[in-house]
Amino acid sequence: KAGVTQTPRYLIKTRGQQVTLSCSPISGHRSVSWYQQTPGQGLQFLFEYFSETQRNKGNFPGRFSGRQFSNSRSEMNVSTLELGDSALYLCASSLWSGQGSYEQYFGPGTRLTVT
Amino acid sequence: AQKITQTQPGMFVQEKEAVTLDCTYDTSDPSYGLFWYKQPSSGEMIFLIYQGSYDQQNATEGRYSLNFQKARKSANLVISASQLGDSAMYFCAMRENYGGSQGNLIFGKGTKLSVKP
Repeated sequence: KAGVTQTPRYLIKTRGQQVTLSCSPISGHRSVSWYQQTPGQGLQFLFEYFSETQRNKGNFPGRFSGRQFSNSRSEMNVSTLELGDSALYLCASSLWSGQGSYEQYFGPGTRLTVT
Repeated sequence: AQKITQTQPGMFVQEKEAVTLDCTYDTSDPSYGLFWYKQPSSGEMIFLIYQGSYDQQNATEGRYSLNFQKARKSANLVISASQLGDSAMYFCAMRENYGGSQGNLIFGKGTKLSVKP
């Protein structure tokens, strides 16, 4: 079974631009979560989508948004990029959402550099 | 307050020896899960092991075991017979089943493990 895929793997943008990252979950998984990883703040939860609905959102400004399509693929968008948005963005998929012992399977990440 | 604390930013271990990576957590939820992930330099997070708050026995998965001490709120990862390929960042994470996080993983800052030949 194919794992979680993320595109693109690397991205360089300039301040003020916007960016869209894509995540394809493992086949059959309906939940997709996004995390931001930086050296200073570590891994922080951005949001989670389950069956095309946002279930949960972390403490990030409104410039960060996402959506999920009917095939469970998800995109996240960052508008008006700032230097501090430079990070590794990780997507994780799982069968379930909410409570439970289920694992989340992570993709390889998209490394975004904002100059 | 930190929900997940990993006090060892970096550790060294000799190949073939065992190593323990520390993790303490803070939650008032009666039901929660604890996870350990490995992140090699490539960036992908690899799931290693899971421990539920109601599990009576410590979890084991191959060379990985979790030393779960509920009263002390600690969930240390033990890697037996370290291999060079174990060199990576290791993250402890928690999912609260009834807390405000509504199921998302809360991660610690990580421990960088280096295995020496």
